[in-house]
Amino acid sequence: GESVGLHLPTLSVQEGDNSIINCAYSNSASDYFIWYKQESGKGPQFIIDIRSNMDKRQGQRVTVLLNKTVKHLSLQIAATQPGDSAVYFCAENSGNNNDMRFGAGTRLTVKP
Amino acid sequence: NAGVMQNPRHLVRRRGQEARLRCSPMKGHSHVYWYRQLPEEGLKFMVYLQKENIIDESGMPKERFSAEFPKEGPSILRIQQVVRGDSAAYFCASSPPRQQETQYFGPGTRLLVL
Repeated sequence: GESVGLHLPTLSVQEGDNSIINCAYSNSASDYFIWYKQESGKGPQFIIDIRSNMDKRQGQRVTVLLNKTVKHLSLQIAATQPGDSAVYFCAENSGNNNDMRFGAGTRLTVKP
Repeated sequence: NAGVMQNPRHLVRRRGQEARLRCSPMKGHSHVYWYRQLPEEGLKFMVYLQKENIIDESGMPKERFSAEFPKEGPSILRIQQVVRGDSAAYFCASSPPRQQETQYFGPGTRLLVL
């Protein structure tokens, strides 16, 4: 069946380094993607989104890249800070009544 | 502008009891979604509602689970005769009328079934 998955379950980086979190999706009909950040004990927090007619979108310290050819999504965090430590989920809009399908998540740990 | 509100934040029930989880969407939002999250896993879609209508309940278990979003008041996710496997975090999200894809999440209700 269709699914959204992540390549790496954990990622550890040094404070100040750049982080790259990857996501693979299999539903070629998906046309909208969101990255969420979830801190321990909290709900997912919207970070950045991208539509399928774009390859790249930038926010504050974050960039999302979309490669539709290989169905791959990535989140880049520049100058990673301790406050960035969290679980990051990619989610796709399957086009079916706007419900989002989530991957399992990547836990990012930032070492001081 | 208050965000999505959920209560209670933590709920403990014994097997066979009923659990009621409440969600108040952000002001101006007319779409509500419920998700379930098990520890160390992603969120699983359960149901999508608009005021007084269930739009998509393809992720809801066929038995014991129900959801509503009345004209007045919060959305309610109801779990009857809870079992230990229902223990999870339940998140509600809402979206505005003309930007339905972008969902904003509440803090979740953590249900523990003893």
